[in-house]
This record gives sequence, C-alpha cells and structure tokens, in this order.
Amino acid sequence: SAVISQKPSRDICQRGTSLTIQCQVDSQVTMMFWYRQQPGQSLTLIATANQGSEATYESGFVIDKFPISRPNLTFSTLTVSNMSPEDSSIYLCSVGLGHENTEAFFGQGTRLTVV
Amino acid sequence: LAKTTQPISMDSYEGQEVNITCSHNNIATNDYITWYQQFPSQGPRFIIQGYKTKVTNEVASLFIPADRKSSTLSLPRVSLSDTAVYYCLVAPTGGFKTIFGAGTRLFVKA
Repeated sequence: SAVISQKPSRDICQRGTSLTIQCQVDSQVTMMFWYRQQPGQSLTLIATANQGSEATYESGFVIDKFPISRPNLTFSTLTVSNMSPEDSSIYLCSVGLGHENTEAFFGQGTRLTVV
Repeated sequence: LAKTTQPISMDSYEGQEVNITCSHNNIATNDYITWYQQFPSQGPRFIIQGYKTKVTNEVASLFIPADRKSSTLSLPRVSLSDTAVYYCLVAPTGGFKTIFGAGTRLFVKA
C-alpha cells in the first residue's frame, strides 16, 4: 500500500492568485496523478505527473493553468494558477505502485475555495 | 478505457445486503474491474478487484458473469457507516490512469 499526504488540506484564496498543492508519498511509486472533484460530482483526471519530464494533461486542462512538477518518485506538486471562483473544488493526488493490478491510492484531498 | 454505467443512487436499511450492478459492455480482454468507495471529505478507497467469476474479501464480494459485460458489488449486512459513493472502474492491467464514472450514492438508513 501507499500513504499519501497532501498539503494544505484546505485553503481559501483570493481570485487572481495561485496555490501550490503538495503530494508526498511514503514510498517510491511509478505513477502519480492529479484529480479534481467539484462539489457533488465525480473525480476528473487533470494530468499524469511524469518524473523527470513534463506532465501529460487530459483534454480541457492546460499546463499554464495547472503546472505540475514531479522532481522524484515520492513527491509532486500541482499549482492552480490565476484562480477564479470556478476553480473552487477538491484536488486529489493519486498514485499507482506499478504492480499488475490497477489499484490506486488517494490522498485526502485539498479543499480549495476561491473568493 | 471502457465506459461504465451504474445506478445514480440506492437506498437501503441497516442489516440488509446491498447489490450494486455496473454495466461495462465494451470491456476489453485485458481489463480488470475495480470498485472504490468514497466517503465525504475523503479520497476514494479501493474495495475489491476482479477479472472473472467471483472474488470475496473481508469487505465485499464481486460477481462477474462469464461474458464480463457487467459486474455486481455485494455488500453484506450494511451499516450506517457504509453510506458513501461507490465507483465501478474498468482498466487494463497496469493501467493506473483511472477514469471515474458518476458512481452510485448509497444511503443506508436506520
């Protein structure tokens, strides 16, 4: 298994500012992902965080808005840039261990409110 | 990745068995079926995974018919604490890019 710590757990931010969310895993993992979950909705995959290279973004998400870093196999950051109230959501980090099955592990999420 | 369809919501009472069925008509040969549970203000948590027939663990059972076009998550004797959203996902081995559908909101009543 994997234990994932996300910081901050919640934040209230002014529109136009940026917030960086950190994801720390207690072991080296092959795959790391970032998701967004809007109130009452399912999870939407933002991007795959690739170690040593640029992240791979899903349709509708761009690097300028959601820059991602992954300097090593245990850590990643997601920045929500130039925030607007529409960015108010829960952001979750997820990891896969690289085994044959597809079990994924999730952090507790970061609840972001933009005012 | 195969699309999944499951009921939007279900109600149950404490002590009952709950069966949530997921349809995945376009499942591929190398796809596994995985179920996750999500409580409010928490990330999803893995419940069970299977490829075919029946899988059982301490939390649930997963029934998969021979054609694998559907699967049923069975929760025995639910309690109030089982109130959560349950997601059915289909992905190939090693395919950690997990795409979530709408999920099923289960409400367990006293």
